[in-house]
Amino acid sequence: DVKVTQSSRYLVKRTGEKVFLECVQDMDHENMFWYRQDPGLGLRLIYFSYDVKMKEKGDIPEGYSVSREKKERFSLILESASTNQTSMYLCASSSLMAGPTGELFFGEGSRLTVL
Amino acid sequence: GIQVEQSPPDLILQEGANSTLRCNFSDSVNNLQWFHQNPWGQLINLFYIPSGTKQNGRLSATTVATERYSLLYISSSQTTDSGVYFCAVYTGNQFYFGTGTSLTVIP
Repeated sequence: DVKVTQSSRYLVKRTGEKVFLECVQDMDHENMFWYRQDPGLGLRLIYFSYDVKMKEKGDIPEGYSVSREKKERFSLILESASTNQTSMYLCASSSLMAGPTGELFFGEGSRLTVL
Repeated sequence: GIQVEQSPPDLILQEGANSTLRCNFSDSVNNLQWFHQNPWGQLINLFYIPSGTKQNGRLSATTVATERYSLLYISSSQTTDSGVYFCAVYTGNQFYFGTGTSLTVIP
């Protein structure tokens, strides 16, 4: 079975801190995604990556950066956390080999609170 | 971008009842998936169904791509079916999600 693992289920950080959210997948997937989910706003795409060292902005990249140094790992970075970044963060991956239509798999989510 | 609409937004069922959730999308897509978000927040894959019909136990799904909709059927609902159900479509280079149907199954 595909497994997408997010490093922390719950985090509490202070305004201005640098925050790293890590995501690892074990199925050799080419594509990886970071979403945030907020009540009433659904899932919104922050960044995605279709290869090592490649990244593309999603719908809401402001305030975030990403890193993909290895195929299995995709990191989301909040350079200076703010209270409006309090949210549920969801990492996902999919295969490119099945065509651009590969099935999407999610991690368990990381619930971040910024005080 | 593509619009993905789900209905109903909320649904309350008695245990044992059946239900149909709908997902409409505004343009042709390459891929459609249904997910169940459990109370802990994880999205669990239910179906990968760009077209046709699939069944998995008490759940089944049908996608009519030419008419731009998909249906998720839940039969003999159980309390563990509670949660939010999302459909997601793939077009261009992104997945687009509906706003979900929140299902509550009461004993």
